[in-house]
Amino acid sequence: QKEVEQDPGPLSVPEGAIVSLNCTYSNSAFQYFMWYRQYSRKGPELLMYTYSSGNKEDGRFTAQVDKSSKYISLFIRDSQPSDSATYLCATKGTGGFKTIFGAGTRLFVKA
Amino acid sequence: GAGVSQSPRYKVAKRGQDVALRCDPISGHVSLFWYQQALGQGPEFLTYFQNEAQLDKSGLPSDRFFAERPEGSVSTLKIQRTQQEDSAVYLCASSLSGRTDHEKLFFGSGTQLSVL
Repeated sequence: QKEVEQDPGPLSVPEGAIVSLNCTYSNSAFQYFMWYRQYSRKGPELLMYTYSSGNKEDGRFTAQVDKSSKYISLFIRDSQPSDSATYLCATKGTGGFKTIFGAGTRLFVKA
Repeated sequence: GAGVSQSPRYKVAKRGQDVALRCDPISGHVSLFWYQQALGQGPEFLTYFQNEAQLDKSGLPSDRFFAERPEGSVSTLKIQRTQQEDSAVYLCASSLSGRTDHEKLFFGSGTQLSVL
């Protein structure tokens, strides 16, 4: 079983839709959770991080962690074609320095 | 430039050939990571440096893979006797200190290696 599981999609939505991206993780010791965005032929870039359980909002993006169910989510409001990318959930391993990534979900936002 | 720079951008190798991939991290960044990203997958950890010290190489798939960072800045990932299963994008990332859990990783655009 992978430490971070993520549905690879693809997910296709119309412009303006609310997008929900989800991951599960296996180790209850994980504390920090991140979402990275990766455009085609580019490296991942950090979108948001959260610590432990709860919500964090940044503009159109909301990251949510539910430690009781080991479930992490990213919501995108008013999605735009420029949001079309692969979204990677990630966590720091128990060693503290290694970032562990999910497989990534490919998102297409149609104009 | 201000970002992480990787070269070459694309590399085609014949099976059995040796390759060397270069990473120039952001100036002053102490920590440097190499990741391997297969098509349709997320990045998989290969190895980690803090300055010139290689603190973790547990992700290197075989002894054909070798990484170095001799002066604590530029790093090279070397793959000997390349095999088709080595075909992937190799990503380099750096961070300021590597000592805080939420510290941001800055990634390069990667080197796409194709082994024929």
